[in-house]
Amino acid sequence: QKEVEQDPGPLSVPEGAIVSLNCTYSNSAFQYFMWYRQYSRKGPELLMYTYSSGNKEDGRFTAQVDKSSKYISLFIRDSQPSDSATYLCAMSDDNAGNMLTFGGGTRLMVKP
Amino acid sequence: EAQVTQNPRYLITVTGKKLTVTCSQNMNHEYMSWYRQDPGLGLRQIYYSMNVEVTDKGDVPEGYKVSRKEKRNFPLILESPSPNQTSLYFCASSPFTGGQETQYFGPGTRLLVL
Repeated sequence: QKEVEQDPGPLSVPEGAIVSLNCTYSNSAFQYFMWYRQYSRKGPELLMYTYSSGNKEDGRFTAQVDKSSKYISLFIRDSQPSDSATYLCAMSDDNAGNMLTFGGGTRLMVKP
Repeated sequence: EAQVTQNPRYLITVTGKKLTVTCSQNMNHEYMSWYRQDPGLGLRQIYYSMNVEVTDKGDVPEGYKVSRKEKRNFPLILESPSPNQTSLYFCASSPFTGGQETQYFGPGTRLLVL
């Protein structure tokens, strides 16, 4: 079993829909949780960063962490075609950032 | 423009022929790292460096070497490439020894080993 599981998709939604992307993990030591967005033929870019449990909102994006269930989510409101990308969750058990464990990524397609 | 550059972007080689993928950043970052990305596996860390002359193994270091002689450069060396090293490789850097929240990724190098 992988340490971080993520549904590979593809997930196809119409423009304007609310998107929910999820990851589950097995290592209870993870405390730092990130979401990266990766466009085709590009490197990942950090989208959201949260520490421990709780919610964090940034514009149309909301990240949720439920450590008791070992489950994290990224919600995208009013999705746009420009949100079409692969979304990777990543986690770490320390703030040194020396070792990130990534999920396999979910490919999202937002259709106009 | 602040960026991480990698060269080459695409490379086809044969088993056993030594190759080097270069990585350079112009942001004066202390921390640099190499990842490989394979379908369904996400990114896996190969090696990282917390500063000049300081390197350490990541999750999947076998078959790879790195060096950090200058702050801006962090080349990835495959002494004797094998087909299982066919992958998409990313270099990343960040301004602290930690700080994954500000980690910048390069554009990637797609490697095919025949």
